[in-house]
Amino acid sequence: IVMTQTPLSLSVTPGQPASISCKSSQSLLYSDGKTYLYWSLQKPGQPPQLLIYEVSNRFSGVPDRFSGSGSGTDFTLKISRVEAEDVGVYYCMQSVQLPYTFGQGTKLEIK
Amino acid sequence: EVQLVESGGGLIQPGGSLRLSCAASGFTVSGDHMNWVRQAPGKGLEWVSIIYIGGTTHYADSVKGRFTISRDNSKNTLYLQMNSLRAEDTALYYCARGVTNWGQGTLVTVSS
Repeated sequence: IVMTQTPLSLSVTPGQPASISCKSSQSLLYSDGKTYLYWSLQKPGQPPQLLIYEVSNRFSGVPDRFSGSGSGTDFTLKISRVEAEDVGVYYCMQSVQLPYTFGQGTKLEIK
Repeated sequence: EVQLVESGGGLIQPGGSLRLSCAASGFTVSGDHMNWVRQAPGKGLEWVSIIYIGGTTHYADSVKGRFTISRDNSKNTLYLQMNSLRAEDTALYYCARGVTNWGQGTLVTVSS
């Protein structure tokens, strides 16, 4: 399954919203009714950290300014008000089918 | 607290072998699906291998037949045996508990 993210880079003023799109080449809806789409953030020099699981569920400790939405093959990560600590590369990932695959990454910078 | 600590990386010549380890704490590796994911320098994330709770394993086509994932329940440790290493295997290798928790990674450099 090919995961395609847009845009590949984003420059945002603190306090402004940001949005990242992720499209998959096949539906990520599994037979159990769950959709296995995740969003992670890799801050500079750090491993990825999970933000959102199964499309729209925030992982433990993730601020509520992060939200995920979508279904089937089209998904979106939104940051309602970008903060300086949000810089890094955002990846979508699917685990509905092996091999697990990631998007190319979207680099978020602060203006 | 969940922790994953990788080790075993280093500089190795093409054709050589390395075994990566991932020591887990705060949970049991046998109780979760465990993944290895790698990141080539300046590149994105690439899934490498998974071992399911039941012990079934799967590999990316790029490493199939050369890499072997395993776990030692008594040591609560995940492993990745890497044979016939190639220059394109050069990367930071992360172990991950499912997709939720990641280690800091261990760097593998394949070069003569």
